[in-house]
Amino acid sequence: GGIITQTPKFLIGQEGQKLTLKCQQNFNHDTMYWYRQDSGKGLRLIYYSITENDLQKGDLSEGYDASREKKSSFSLTVTSAQKNEMAVFLCASTIGTGGYEQYFGPGTRLTVL
Amino acid sequence: QQQVRQSPQSLTVWEGETAILNCSYENSAFDYFPWYQQFPGEGPALLIAIRSVSDKKEDGGFTIFFNKREKNLSLHIKDSQPGDSATYFCAASAQGGRALIFGTGTTVSVSP
Repeated sequence: GGIITQTPKFLIGQEGQKLTLKCQQNFNHDTMYWYRQDSGKGLRLIYYSITENDLQKGDLSEGYDASREKKSSFSLTVTSAQKNEMAVFLCASTIGTGGYEQYFGPGTRLTVL
Repeated sequence: QQQVRQSPQSLTVWEGETAILNCSYENSAFDYFPWYQQFPGEGPALLIAIRSVSDKKEDGGFTIFFNKREKNLSLHIKDSQPGDSATYFCAASAQGGRALIFGTGTTVSVSP
């Protein structure tokens, strides 16, 4: 088995601040994802990466940057934190892309003051 | 535009009853439909999944009924237990698709 680790678990920032969320997986999966979970809105895709140094935009990529420098890690940067993007950010990985099980991390809860 | 819709938003059942969660989709190219279970403070975890070549999938007390013609599916939780209280997400993807499209979730509460 494997595990996905997300750090930090809770992230508090000021409006306008640049904030970085980190994700590590030891499944040796090729594809990694960042989702945003807002209450009552399900999970929405921000960025995904099918291999090291690859980046693909999801439906919610505006205001975010991502980085996949190693196969095992995937970082997400909130370029200028806004109060309306307080949410839980979930990292996931999978062996392929759409038709395979995605394994999720426990999430990072972002609060913007 | 919500490509995957779930209903109801929340559901309360008594212990031992069957909970029925509904999901519908728009894209005929979707062929993989997983259901994820999420407990508070945790990430979602795969519960059960079905591919469009099948009309039913069972795993323990969980059953997916799939209707390709009507573009809908349902998750039945048989003999519900308080430990089944969680939020359930229906998702969908197409072969070669980039990622899963998630519904907005159904929160299930099982009362003892």
